[in-house]
Amino acid sequence: DAKTTQPTSMDCAEGRAANLPCNHSTISGNEYVYWYRQIHSQGPQYIIHGLKNNETNEMASLIITEDRKSSTLILPHATLRDTAVYYCIVTKAAGNKLTFGGGTRVLVKP
Amino acid sequence: NAGVMQNPRHLVRRRGQEARLRCSPMKGHSHVYWYRQLPEEGLKFMVYLQKENIIDESGMPKERFSAEFPKEGPSILRIQQVVRGDSAAYFCASSPGSFTNEQFFGPGTRLTVL
Repeated sequence: DAKTTQPTSMDCAEGRAANLPCNHSTISGNEYVYWYRQIHSQGPQYIIHGLKNNETNEMASLIITEDRKSSTLILPHATLRDTAVYYCIVTKAAGNKLTFGGGTRVLVKP
Repeated sequence: NAGVMQNPRHLVRRRGQEARLRCSPMKGHSHVYWYRQLPEEGLKFMVYLQKENIIDESGMPKERFSAEFPKEGPSILRIQQVVRGDSAAYFCASSPGSFTNEQFFGPGTRLTVL
């Protein structure tokens, strides 16, 4: 699986959009970008994934650059409950282990 | 639809004892993954199983650890002769194993070795 690089931490104001960047310059053509988050001590939670098109669901939006070498996860209106470690993972489609890096520790402040 | 269930949620063992961790996947899911999270560290993959088969055990320590996912019943992660370094949170995830790698995680089992 391709390696990913994320900032170690970032703060966000409650109610504002949180934009979480991820670099994956060695991504291959059949690899997807997945985002998970882990709220303190809980099991990780799937957020969203994409291949090359931008994706949106009830939790977030995923913007993937045209060359697919980087992506941005957008939490449109951050709440205090969004405080968590966010992981960007690049992996093939199905039946694969997830390789978690250090992630980005996001702190949403009132 | 119940989520992934793990039990026990907390397990305390003395050095040398055995630990058995159970994972019941979501209904309809036939793929199970085990991950370990050591204190203050990231999650590390251990093993991937489908019903009655181990597909990938590249993250499993070579000794004392084993996993199974029988035709009936939950997946079991077994740790023999536990040592203090085995103290960690063990997470199980399940997947329908079709076209997606979306994995649904359980709440974890926190193992403490005294």
